[in-house]
Amino acid sequence: AQTVTQSQPEMSVQEAETVTLSCTYDTSESNYYLFWYKQPPSRQMILVIRQEAYKQQNATENRFSVNFQKAAKSFSLKISDSQLGDTAMYFCAFMKPIISGTYKYIFGTGTRLKVLA
Amino acid sequence: EAGVVQSPRYKIIEKKQPVAFWCNPISGHNTLYWYLQNLGQGPELLIRYENEEAVDDSQLPKDRFSAERLKGVDSTLKIQPAELGDSAVYLCASSLGLSSSYNEQFFGPGTRLTVL
Repeated sequence: AQTVTQSQPEMSVQEAETVTLSCTYDTSESNYYLFWYKQPPSRQMILVIRQEAYKQQNATENRFSVNFQKAAKSFSLKISDSQLGDTAMYFCAFMKPIISGTYKYIFGTGTRLKVLA
Repeated sequence: EAGVVQSPRYKIIEKKQPVAFWCNPISGHNTLYWYLQNLGQGPELLIRYENEEAVDDSQLPKDRFSAERLKGVDSTLKIQPAELGDSAVYLCASSLGLSSSYNEQFFGPGTRLTVL
């Protein structure tokens, strides 16, 4: 069974500094997708960044980048130049197409990030 | 473009009472998801619809939970009767469906249910 593990329940970072959130997953599949979602205190969850497993190049979206290590089954999120608005819960998620017409989507337990002024 | 709409945002009921949640997905999104999110936890899938068909409801407690998506657009999730342990946030999400290779999900604000 696929699992997603986020080992850091809470983290804090000073404004303008860089922080890395870790995520590991377990799967025997080779074709899948990985995501980081952000859930601010208002609770509406939004996609931060995604990574296709078949791509070796790490995804980047402005201040957000990932370190995808397929062999180690690791998918960490780096936030550069942290801003107060980055304060939120961050969820790592795994999606795997199972058979034609269906797929499995699993979320980790989340990391609560607080950016300090 | 309007996002995923959920109502109500908050609901307080006494145990054994029924409750219903409503979700309107983003226009054109074929896939609709209902998730349960307990405090400090990640979302857990309850049911997923592809158009009007429930294609994954293995985690839905069918003795008390039911869902429908008539006409493949809006969806309603019902609990009857509610138990204390049902207190949580119920999230609705939608995605384009199988036409999208990675199926990014767009989430609604959620309904926070408190069962007394």
